[in-house]
Amino acid sequence: EAQVTQNPRYLITVTGKKLTVTCSQNMNHEYMSWYRQDPGLGLRQIYYSMNVEVTDKGDVPEGYKVSRKEKRNFPLILESPSPNQTSLYFCASSLFPGNQPQHFGDGTRLSIL
Amino acid sequence: KQEVTQIPAALSVPEGENLVLNCSFTDSAIYNLQWFRQDPGKGLTSLLLIQSSQREQTSGRLNASLDKSSGRSTLYIAASQPGDSATYLCAVRRRGGGSNYKLTFGKGTLLTVNP
Repeated sequence: EAQVTQNPRYLITVTGKKLTVTCSQNMNHEYMSWYRQDPGLGLRQIYYSMNVEVTDKGDVPEGYKVSRKEKRNFPLILESPSPNQTSLYFCASSLFPGNQPQHFGDGTRLSIL
Repeated sequence: KQEVTQIPAALSVPEGENLVLNCSFTDSAIYNLQWFRQDPGKGLTSLLLIQSSQREQTSGRLNASLDKSSGRSTLYIAASQPGDSATYLCAVRRRGGGSNYKLTFGKGTLLTVNP
């Protein structure tokens, strides 16, 4: 089954403790992206990747890092999480070109205390 | 900068009613427009994708239209059911200018269908 898998689905942690949210897709998609969703602000893009070793900032990249060492995986790294990063996070992927639909994971709810 | 607006922000209807959700966007240079459904605390389910060259797409009781020149899309839901209750999100995918094919989302319409 074609899917985008995120882990963990839920995480409660404390300020400053490094964490990684994993994202994996089994559709051989080149393009992957991370979004965060906040009440009243909607979904906003954090980082994206056009292919292996090609990543760039989205609209709200501060406090986040990503890597793309393999085509299927695109982890989101919070080196020193802060409470303002408490949010619902989504990973998405799609084929090229840009007219292809984006497929989303089920989301990761992060709470930073 | 692309901006996407969805009206209304919330809508409550009785079961069986036909309804229309509206989406407008400011920049017509798009690849496509996608409608999603989101249940509380859950992920995004893609409902319909309309390419920039298309006028409409249909899936079951759903019909989405696109008027790129005026920057508008509508999602029509026929014979609504309580199971249709969810937040509906509209998103446009940019075209041209740089390498990011990101989606720009509206803030959604919260639909409640009452039995």
